[in-house]
Amino acid sequence: ETGVTQSPTHLIKTRGQQVTLRCSSQSGHNTVSWYQQALGQGPQFIFQYYREEENGRGNFPPRFSGLQFPNYSSELNVNALELDDSALYLCASRPGGTGGPNTEAFFGQGTRLTVV
Amino acid sequence: DQQVKQNSPSLSVQEGRISILNCDYTNSMFDYFLWYKKYPAEGPTFLISISSIKDKNEDGRFTVFLNKSAKHLSLHIVPSQPGDSAVYFCAASYQGTYKYIFGTGTRLKVLA
Repeated sequence: ETGVTQSPTHLIKTRGQQVTLRCSSQSGHNTVSWYQQALGQGPQFIFQYYREEENGRGNFPPRFSGLQFPNYSSELNVNALELDDSALYLCASRPGGTGGPNTEAFFGQGTRLTVV
Repeated sequence: DQQVKQNSPSLSVQEGRISILNCDYTNSMFDYFLWYKKYPAEGPTFLISISSIKDKNEDGRFTVFLNKSAKHLSLHIVPSQPGDSAVYFCAASYQGTYKYIFGTGTRLKVLA
C-alpha cells in the first residue's frame, strides 16, 4: 500500500506564471484535499475533491483550481502567480466522502513553491 | 478569525519527562479533533484523534484530553523522547464538513 505522493517536491516560478502540482492519493482513498501552508502558519484548506467533483472550498480566489481523475489522483492549478503564493502545498487523502463519520487524513510530503 | 489556537510557539522538555501541548478552539460546532506531527521537509503525520463524545483518548505514549466546556484540548507525551522533536499541529473539524482547521503549531524540542 503506497502513501500519498506529491510532485514536484520543489518549484520556482515567476510572478504571473501558471503552475500545476500533482498528487497521488493513498490506495483506496477517494477523497483528496489541498492545503496551503505559509511560513510559520498552520495548513489552510484550499478545496476538496470527492469522486472527481469539488465538494468544498476554502477562502481562496478562483485562480486556484483543481481536478480529480478517475484513479483519484489530483491536480492543483494556480494561475497568475503572486509572490504571496509562495508556500508549501500539501495534499491529503482519506477514504469516504463527507457523509460519514470523521476520519483522519493522510498527507503527502508537500510541494515547496517559490514565486519570484 | 483564528478558530483554533496554539498559543505556545515552542516548548523544550527533558528526555523522559512529560510534554504537554495545548490547543484552544472557539467554534462550539467542532466535534472531531486531531493532532499531527511534522518534521522538516515532510508532510504532517497523523498522531491521534478524539471525538467530542469522549474526553480522553490514549495511544501508547500519547494521550489527548478534551475539555469541551473550556474549549480546550491537550496532548500529553510520556515519556518524551528526542525523536519526538517536531512541530505539532492541532486541527479540528465537524460532521458533514470536509476541511480541517489547523492551529499555527508548537515546536517541541526534547533534550537528551
